[in-house]
Amino acid sequence: EVQLLESGGDLVQPEGSLRLSCAASGFAFSNCAMSWVRQAPGKGLEWLSTISGSGARTWYPDSVKGRFTISRDNSKNTLYLQMHSLRVEDTAVYFCAKRQWLEGGAFDYWGQGTLVTVSS
Amino acid sequence: EIVLTQSPATLSLSPGERAALSCRASQSVSSYLAWYQQKPGQAPRLLIYDASNRATGIPARFSGSGSGTDFTLTISSLEPEDFAVYYCQQRTNSPLTFGGGTKVEIK
Repeated sequence: EVQLLESGGDLVQPEGSLRLSCAASGFAFSNCAMSWVRQAPGKGLEWLSTISGSGARTWYPDSVKGRFTISRDNSKNTLYLQMHSLRVEDTAVYFCAKRQWLEGGAFDYWGQGTLVTVSS
Repeated sequence: EIVLTQSPATLSLSPGERAALSCRASQSVSSYLAWYQQKPGQAPRLLIYDASNRATGIPARFSGSGSGTDFTLTISSLEPEDFAVYYCQQRTNSPLTFGGGTKVEIK
């Protein structure tokens, strides 16, 4: 059974930093791209980043490029999202999601999410 | 950026009725479109990928169609557990984008 468990969400002040983690199990982690997607309260879904199975390639939308960094440790089956210069508008539930293939595909499994609140 | 427009925003139907949800892309996404279901307090669940392929474990009452810029998710006969929000998503171009969602509510 595929399981994704996010952690690291917290209350953080504007301009602060936070690192999220996602522990994966039940599938060949290094064979799949992984992504982060967020959902602001009462809003829709926003893709934040993707990393290839090997970790060699990463992709970001312009909205977070330079502030957020995705990484993975295939020896620990864990995905990370390092976030800097956080803004009030970054407040959201952050989901990690497994991709179908090595470098892409649909988001076929999702974690339950971790809440990040940016507020003074 | 490819914009996905979902309609209607809300669909009010009764159990047993047929639901047709639309997703229109601002430019062609070929067949690289997926559909997700999300219930309150839960993560999204993949229903359909590449426009018409049902994901693992998804009931046959869910079907997807379309290509290019116009796509439809059809639920042939609504079950009580199908009342939720549905999102479409494209993976043709970066940034990956989602539609704004269609809420299917009980009439």
